[in-house]
Amino acid sequence: GAVVSQHPSWVICKSGTSVKIECRSLDFQATTMFWYRQFPKQSLMLMATSNEGSKATYEQGVEKDKFLINHASLTLSTLTVTSAHPEDSSFYICSASIGLAAFRGEQYFGPGTRLTVT
Amino acid sequence: KNEVEQSPQNLTAQEGEFITINCSYSVGISALHWLQQHPGGGIVSLFMLSSGKKKHGRLIATINIQEKHSSLHITASHPRDSAVYICAVRSKSNTGNQFYFGTGTSLTVIP
Repeated sequence: GAVVSQHPSWVICKSGTSVKIECRSLDFQATTMFWYRQFPKQSLMLMATSNEGSKATYEQGVEKDKFLINHASLTLSTLTVTSAHPEDSSFYICSASIGLAAFRGEQYFGPGTRLTVT
Repeated sequence: KNEVEQSPQNLTAQEGEFITINCSYSVGISALHWLQQHPGGGIVSLFMLSSGKKKHGRLIATINIQEKHSSLHITASHPRDSAVYICAVRSKSNTGNQFYFGTGTSLTVIP
């Protein structure tokens, strides 16, 4: 149980275009979803936390107008990278938590999406 | 200084060896995760623990809250265990979700 999927698994786009990444909880309702970014040979960095039906909370240094997060349902959150640039090329990972489990640190990770901006 | 420090950074072992990866942290935590990331990038959550010890198959994770230290052990290591192992902690905070990640330990198990 507790499977999280991401789509697409990899994407290549041209500079200046926007890319949407989906994160789905397949067999549970995720009240909280997290978005991470991982640059090559670096660890994960939390970008934002989103609760279903409310605005996402962004970490310091993450541009909310560039990385649009929508958590419209209990099973789907989307991350849209707007006007992508080569420096946005990274591995984007989502994770999901159920209810109060988010406060206990329980979360289930998606497989990640590799974005390459040319 | 990172809130989460892992050691070693890189580890090469012969198949069958007992492996230990260490994680030290400097913040008060509500939970600690051990994650496994394979070369393709996908992440699997191995353990989440807040006290004591957990075992799953050949993997054992321990945590000492007083010493702010956790270890991940792999018994009878196998080449398929080759991956990056990441320690992550969720700090005690009621104002938001503060997760801190270690930089990972890259494990290579040689047949």
